[in-house]
Amino acid sequence: KQEVTQIPAALSVPEGENLVLNCSFTDSAIYNLQWFRQDPGKGLTSLLLIQSSQREQTSGRLNASLDKSSGRSTLYIAASQPGDSATYLCAVLPLGEYGNKLVFGAGTILRVKS
Amino acid sequence: EAGVTQFPSHSVIEKGQTVTLRCDPISGHDNLYWYRRVMGKEIKFLLHFVKESKQDESGMPNNRFLAERTGGTYSTLKVQPAELEDSGVYFCASTLLMGTEAFFGQGTRLTVV
Repeated sequence: KQEVTQIPAALSVPEGENLVLNCSFTDSAIYNLQWFRQDPGKGLTSLLLIQSSQREQTSGRLNASLDKSSGRSTLYIAASQPGDSATYLCAVLPLGEYGNKLVFGAGTILRVKS
Repeated sequence: EAGVTQFPSHSVIEKGQTVTLRCDPISGHDNLYWYRRVMGKEIKFLLHFVKESKQDESGMPNNRFLAERTGGTYSTLKVQPAELEDSGVYFCASTLLMGTEAFFGQGTRLTVV
Protein backbone atom coordinates (compact mmCIF):
# COMPACT_ATOMS: atom_id res chain seq x y z
CA LYS A 1 0.00 0.00 0.00
CA GLN A 2 1.40 3.36 -1.04
CA GLU A 3 1.94 5.91 1.72
CA VAL A 4 3.13 9.48 1.33
CA THR A 5 4.88 11.45 4.06
CA GLN A 6 5.70 15.13 4.04
CA ILE A 7 8.34 16.74 6.22
CA PRO A 8 8.26 19.16 7.90
CA ALA A 9 4.62 19.44 8.91
CA ALA A 10 5.03 23.20 9.31
CA LEU A 11 7.70 25.71 8.43
CA SER A 12 8.13 29.39 9.18
CA VAL A 13 10.82 31.38 7.36
CA PRO A 14 11.71 35.02 6.82
CA GLU A 15 11.03 36.58 3.46
CA GLY A 16 13.73 36.05 0.87
CA GLU A 17 14.93 32.72 2.18
CA ASN A 18 15.31 29.70 -0.07
CA LEU A 19 13.55 26.62 1.26
CA VAL A 20 13.00 22.94 0.61
CA LEU A 21 9.90 20.88 1.26
CA ASN A 22 10.25 17.12 1.38
CA CYS A 23 7.98 14.33 0.22
CA SER A 24 8.65 10.61 0.54
CA PHE A 25 6.64 7.64 -0.70
CA THR A 26 6.90 3.99 0.23
CA ASP A 27 6.48 2.33 -3.18
CA SER A 28 8.71 3.49 -6.02
CA ALA A 29 6.31 2.11 -8.63
CA ILE A 30 4.64 5.39 -9.52
CA TYR A 31 3.30 6.88 -12.73
CA ASN A 32 3.83 10.49 -11.71
CA LEU A 33 4.07 12.87 -8.77
CA GLN A 34 2.24 16.16 -8.43
CA TRP A 35 2.79 19.12 -6.11
CA PHE A 36 -0.18 21.26 -5.13
CA ARG A 37 -0.70 24.44 -3.19
CA GLN A 38 -3.75 25.12 -1.05
CA ASP A 39 -4.63 28.50 0.37
CA PRO A 40 -6.93 28.64 3.42
CA GLY A 41 -10.50 27.87 2.44
CA LYS A 42 -9.53 27.39 -1.18
CA GLY A 43 -9.06 24.47 -3.52
CA LEU A 44 -5.89 22.78 -4.68
CA THR A 45 -3.78 24.56 -7.27
CA SER A 46 -1.48 22.37 -9.31
CA LEU A 47 2.12 23.59 -9.18
CA LEU A 48 4.22 20.96 -10.89
CA LEU A 49 3.73 17.50 -12.36
CA ILE A 50 6.72 15.18 -12.68
CA GLN A 51 6.41 12.05 -14.76
CA SER A 52 8.22 8.96 -13.46
CA SER A 53 10.76 9.22 -16.28
CA GLN A 54 11.69 12.79 -15.35
CA ARG A 55 14.15 14.00 -12.73
CA GLU A 56 12.85 17.51 -12.22
CA GLN A 57 10.43 20.20 -13.31
CA THR A 58 10.71 23.95 -12.97
CA SER A 59 8.15 26.74 -12.94
CA GLY A 60 9.33 30.23 -12.07
CA ARG A 61 10.80 30.18 -8.56
CA LEU A 62 9.70 26.59 -8.02
CA ASN A 63 11.76 23.52 -8.76
CA ALA A 64 10.64 19.99 -8.01
CA SER A 65 12.92 16.98 -8.16
CA LEU A 66 12.10 13.30 -8.20
CA ASP A 67 14.26 10.38 -7.13
CA LYS A 68 11.96 7.47 -7.79
CA SER A 69 14.36 4.76 -6.68
CA SER A 70 14.71 6.24 -3.22
CA GLY A 71 11.06 7.28 -3.03
CA ARG A 72 11.71 10.98 -2.57
CA SER A 73 10.73 14.30 -4.05
CA THR A 74 11.67 17.81 -3.02
CA LEU A 75 10.05 21.13 -3.78
CA TYR A 76 12.52 23.98 -3.79
CA ILE A 77 11.18 27.52 -3.46
CA ALA A 78 13.66 30.28 -4.24
CA ALA A 79 13.54 33.75 -2.72
CA SER A 80 10.38 33.09 -0.73
CA GLN A 81 7.68 35.76 -0.49
CA PRO A 82 4.77 36.28 1.93
CA GLY A 83 2.45 35.32 -0.92
CA ASP A 84 3.99 31.85 -0.88
CA SER A 85 2.36 31.20 2.49
CA ALA A 86 0.04 28.22 2.03
CA THR A 87 -0.20 24.48 2.54
CA TYR A 88 1.85 22.47 0.06
CA LEU A 89 0.67 18.98 -0.79
CA CYS A 90 2.48 16.16 -2.52
CA ALA A 91 0.55 13.38 -4.27
CA VAL A 92 1.65 10.30 -6.20
CA LEU A 93 -0.17 8.27 -8.80
CA PRO A 94 0.78 4.63 -8.20
CA LEU A 95 1.53 2.38 -11.16
CA GLY A 96 -1.07 -0.24 -11.80
CA GLU A 97 -3.85 1.94 -10.49
CA TYR A 98 -6.33 2.49 -13.29
CA GLY A 99 -7.11 6.15 -13.44
CA ASN A 100 -5.98 9.00 -11.25
CA LYS A 101 -6.31 7.60 -7.74
CA LEU A 102 -3.85 10.04 -6.25
CA VAL A 103 -2.35 9.25 -2.86
CA PHE A 104 -1.74 12.41 -0.85
CA GLY A 105 0.58 13.38 1.94
CA ALA A 106 -0.68 15.40 4.90
CA GLY A 107 0.97 18.57 3.63
CA THR A 108 3.47 21.15 4.82
CA ILE A 109 2.10 24.43 6.18
CA LEU A 110 4.43 27.21 5.06
CA ARG A 111 4.49 30.68 6.53
CA VAL A 112 6.75 33.33 5.03
CA LYS A 113 7.18 36.32 7.33
CA SER A 114 7.67 39.79 5.92
CA GLU B 1 -11.34 28.89 -19.57
CA ALA B 2 -13.28 27.99 -16.44
CA GLY B 3 -11.68 25.60 -14.01
CA VAL B 4 -13.36 22.92 -11.95
CA THR B 5 -16.28 24.43 -10.06
CA GLN B 6 -18.11 23.04 -7.08
CA PHE B 7 -21.38 23.94 -5.41
CA PRO B 8 -22.10 24.78 -2.69
CA SER B 9 -18.89 26.02 -1.11
CA HIS B 10 -20.27 25.33 2.36
CA SER B 11 -23.15 23.24 3.67
CA VAL B 12 -24.33 22.74 7.23
CA ILE B 13 -26.96 20.07 7.72
CA GLU B 14 -28.39 18.08 10.57
CA LYS B 15 -27.67 14.42 11.09
CA GLY B 16 -30.10 12.34 9.09
CA GLN B 17 -30.69 14.93 6.39
CA THR B 18 -29.71 14.65 2.76
CA VAL B 19 -27.14 16.77 0.97
CA THR B 20 -26.19 16.89 -2.69
CA LEU B 21 -22.87 18.25 -3.85
CA ARG B 22 -22.25 19.26 -7.43
CA CYS B 23 -19.11 19.38 -9.54
CA ASP B 24 -18.61 20.86 -12.99
CA PRO B 25 -15.32 19.64 -14.49
CA ILE B 26 -13.22 21.47 -17.02
CA SER B 27 -14.94 21.33 -20.38
CA GLY B 28 -13.70 18.38 -22.41
CA HIS B 29 -12.33 16.46 -19.44
CA ASP B 30 -13.84 12.98 -19.57
CA ASN B 31 -12.24 11.96 -16.26
CA LEU B 32 -13.89 13.22 -13.08
CA TYR B 33 -12.88 12.32 -9.54
CA TRP B 34 -14.21 12.87 -6.06
CA TYR B 35 -11.90 13.10 -3.06
CA ARG B 36 -12.52 13.88 0.58
CA ARG B 37 -10.56 15.18 3.53
CA VAL B 38 -11.94 14.59 6.97
CA MET B 39 -10.58 16.51 9.95
CA GLY B 40 -6.92 15.85 10.60
CA LYS B 41 -6.55 13.29 7.81
CA GLU B 42 -5.05 13.23 4.36
CA ILE B 43 -7.11 13.76 1.23
CA LYS B 44 -8.55 10.40 0.20
CA PHE B 45 -9.93 9.13 -3.10
CA LEU B 46 -13.66 8.37 -3.31
CA LEU B 47 -14.45 7.51 -6.92
CA HIS B 48 -13.63 8.06 -10.58
CA PHE B 49 -15.88 8.58 -13.60
CA VAL B 50 -14.92 8.20 -17.23
CA LYS B 51 -17.63 10.12 -19.01
CA GLU B 52 -20.84 8.83 -17.43
CA SER B 53 -19.43 5.48 -16.29
CA LYS B 54 -18.06 4.73 -12.84
CA GLN B 55 -14.53 3.49 -13.42
CA ASP B 56 -13.56 3.00 -9.79
CA GLU B 57 -15.68 3.54 -6.69
CA SER B 58 -13.44 1.67 -4.28
CA GLY B 59 -13.06 4.69 -2.02
CA MET B 60 -16.76 5.24 -1.34
CA PRO B 61 -17.18 4.76 2.41
CA ASN B 62 -20.63 3.10 2.39
CA ASN B 63 -23.95 2.93 0.60
CA ARG B 64 -25.12 6.25 2.03
CA PHE B 65 -23.01 7.87 -0.68
CA LEU B 66 -24.29 7.97 -4.25
CA ALA B 67 -22.46 9.59 -7.12
CA GLU B 68 -23.85 10.23 -10.57
CA ARG B 69 -22.66 11.79 -13.76
CA THR B 70 -25.58 11.80 -16.14
CA GLY B 71 -24.62 12.70 -19.69
CA GLY B 72 -20.95 12.68 -18.82
CA THR B 73 -20.84 16.36 -17.90
CA TYR B 74 -21.35 17.52 -14.33
CA SER B 75 -21.45 15.14 -11.39
CA THR B 76 -23.39 15.01 -8.16
CA LEU B 77 -22.50 13.35 -4.90
CA LYS B 78 -25.44 12.69 -2.59
CA VAL B 79 -25.12 11.74 1.04
CA GLN B 80 -28.30 10.22 2.46
CA PRO B 81 -28.75 10.11 5.40
CA ALA B 82 -25.81 12.19 6.55
CA GLU B 83 -23.89 11.17 9.66
CA LEU B 84 -21.56 13.20 11.87
CA GLU B 85 -18.47 11.42 10.51
CA ASP B 86 -19.31 12.59 6.99
CA SER B 87 -18.16 16.09 7.89
CA GLY B 88 -15.16 17.23 5.91
CA VAL B 89 -14.13 18.88 2.69
CA TYR B 90 -15.19 17.21 -0.54
CA PHE B 91 -13.04 17.91 -3.56
CA CYS B 92 -13.72 17.28 -7.19
CA ALA B 93 -10.99 16.97 -9.80
CA SER B 94 -10.83 16.40 -13.53
CA THR B 95 -8.20 15.31 -16.01
CA LEU B 96 -8.08 15.34 -19.76
CA LEU B 97 -6.60 11.86 -19.96
CA MET B 98 -5.93 9.29 -17.26
CA GLY B 99 -2.54 9.92 -15.71
CA THR B 100 -2.31 13.56 -16.76
CA GLU B 101 -2.36 16.68 -14.60
CA ALA B 102 -5.25 16.78 -12.17
CA PHE B 103 -7.16 20.03 -11.69
CA PHE B 104 -9.12 20.47 -8.50
CA GLY B 105 -12.12 22.54 -7.54
CA GLN B 106 -12.29 24.75 -4.47
CA GLY B 107 -14.05 22.06 -2.48
CA THR B 108 -17.32 21.85 -0.55
CA ARG B 109 -17.02 22.06 3.22
CA LEU B 110 -19.71 19.82 4.67
CA THR B 111 -20.60 20.07 8.34
CA VAL B 112 -23.05 17.59 9.82
CA VAL B 113 -24.40 18.64 13.23
